[in-house]
Amino acid sequence: GESVGLHLPTLSVQEGDNSIINCAYSNSASDYFIWYKQESGKGPQFIIDIRSNMDKRQGQRVTVLLNKTVKHLSLQIAATQPGDSAVYFCAETTGGGSNYKLTFGKGTLLTVNP
Amino acid sequence: GAVVSQHPSRVICKSGTSVKIECRSLDFQATTMFWYRQFPKQSLMLMATSNEGSKATYEQGVEKDKFLINHASLTLSTLTVTSAHPEDSSFYICSARDSGQGAKAFFGQGTRLTVV
Repeated sequence: GESVGLHLPTLSVQEGDNSIINCAYSNSASDYFIWYKQESGKGPQFIIDIRSNMDKRQGQRVTVLLNKTVKHLSLQIAATQPGDSAVYFCAETTGGGSNYKLTFGKGTLLTVNP
Repeated sequence: GAVVSQHPSRVICKSGTSVKIECRSLDFQATTMFWYRQFPKQSLMLMATSNEGSKATYEQGVEKDKFLINHASLTLSTLTVTSAHPEDSSFYICSARDSGQGAKAFFGQGTRLTVV
């Protein structure tokens, strides 16, 4: 059987609007963060990353903001398109070499309405 | 970009049998690979970290005798679900870290395991 757990938070937006997806991370020692996009039945796809010595990084239509004081990450998607509909996960990394570990947050289901 | 290939994408097996899932890094060498399990509408749960040439490191609560991991080369890690039961049905995903791209990890397509 399946494990019972919390359902994903959801965000519904209109096509063309900007989307903001939030994530709280747990480990103050995490030094690198990644946002992934996961479409149904597929593995996560890298979107954008940010190191802990930065507070903002921009990509194509996406921006990641990092607030280390409150251990919060956000992903901003500009001019959201139907193809952006997916589950978005933040992930934090700790350690290096054989101690490297990548841990995922809860995830947010983004639905873009045409 | 770095490509990780996972095989098979779907498998149905009978209860009590074993199933092997392969994870390959196609265009880079991965000293470290990771295995995750994901239930519907939930996040990815790290099961184990696989280091080339050494024993895997399992997360708390993951049975190492149940989920056998082998990382015999820099491009291949395998996960074998032994004596599978219906509760092992899940989406299994591997990822590989490309040390040439810093701390980025790239993911396979996932394997949908159904145990009947």
